[in-house]
Order: sequence, then C-alpha cells, then structure tokens
Amino acid sequence: DVVMAQSPLSLPVTLGQPASISCRSSQSLVYSDANTYLSWFQQRPGQSPRRLIYKVSNRDSGVPDRFSGSGSGTDFTLKISRVEAEDVGVYYCMQHTHWPHTFGQGTKLEIK
Amino acid sequence: EVQMVESGGDLVQPGGSLRLSCAASGFTLSDYWMGWVRQAPGKGLEWLANIKQDGSEKYYVDYVRGRFTISRDNAKNSLFLQMNSLRVEDTAVYYCGTGETWGQGTLVTVSS
Repeated sequence: DVVMAQSPLSLPVTLGQPASISCRSSQSLVYSDANTYLSWFQQRPGQSPRRLIYKVSNRDSGVPDRFSGSGSGTDFTLKISRVEAEDVGVYYCMQHTHWPHTFGQGTKLEIK
Repeated sequence: EVQMVESGGDLVQPGGSLRLSCAASGFTLSDYWMGWVRQAPGKGLEWLANIKQDGSEKYYVDYVRGRFTISRDNAKNSLFLQMNSLRVEDTAVYYCGTGETWGQGTLVTVSS
C-alpha cells in the first residue's frame, strides 16, 4: 500500500500568519492518464471531512483562495496564506492513484 | 443541495452483522464512483471500499475483503455497506461519499 507521510503532525499558528503542511508518498502518484490524484481534506472538530483540493492544486467549489496546493510526483504541500479561526481542525492528504486509497496521518492545526 | 445521509449504525456484538445505508440527494448517484470511509474514535481516516457507477467493479481494502460488501441501487439513489463478522476494531464512524462530498457519518460500535 502507498504510505502517505504528513508533517508536521501538530501545527500551532498565529491568526493571520501562513501555514504549510507537507505530504510525501512512498510511490509516485502520477497515474497512467498523466493525472496526479492527490487531494487534501479538512476535518473541523465534530464534523465530517471536507475536500479542499483535488488533483494536487485544484480548489473545490466554495473553498477560500487562501488555501492552495502544490507539488508533484511524491512530494506535495498544502498552504494557507493567512490562517483564520475557522481553519482549526485536522488536515489530511489522500491519494487515489493506487488502490487502496490511503490517507496521511493528519495534521492538527490550532491557533497559538 | 448535494447531500448524503448515512444510517444503520448501531451497537453490535463481535461476530455480528450490520447493513449501512446512504441516501443521496441533489445529484445523480449513477454518475459517480462511490465509496465508504471510516474513522475509529480519535483516529484518522481509512478508505474501505469503492464501487463503480454501474456496480460492475468493486474494490476493498484487505482487512474488510470477504467480510464487507459494497452495493448500490441507482434507481433509489442509495449506497449500501453490508458488514459481517464484525470485530471490535471495526468500531468507527462510517462515512459514504463521492470523494468530493461526504455524509455526516453513522456510528458503529462493536462490543460485547
């Protein structure tokens, strides 16, 4: 199975400051159709997961533009340009290039 | 509004069975691959199973294959997960979704 390794696992951030989460996969996530199926999810406390980013860098509808995704191959990053109070929660990367689809361990973002 | 509502979660003894249902609205279920994801208490996300739009292809993670069965009824815009031979470690909130959108989850507790 493809292992997704996130860092850091805990991310204390001051309001208004940027935040960055790294995700590394144990294999390339480039599929045979040349797409890279790497997504980012946000899970606020007590809520179900919400997808923020798909195919590395595409924001889902309604996702604020302070969220951005980048990367290629095995190395990916989620960036929040200016953290707001509503961004508190756990962030997961997930690959669905290979079966089984696998998630990272999660990064808990909190406000300092 | 796109919505998925899971139901069927309950307290069950080890070795028992449950059938989870997922009612979709606001979109045409038959247009999408669908999946089930779970989250054990205080833990991360695990993708369990996928089913193709017409039900012709199904994929399972190793530790549920042979015990869980994913199915769908496109005419009723519904997704199902039949879970047999349940184990204590299957205790989790179970979510259905398209990848982009997920329901609120239903709690399965396996305990004697």
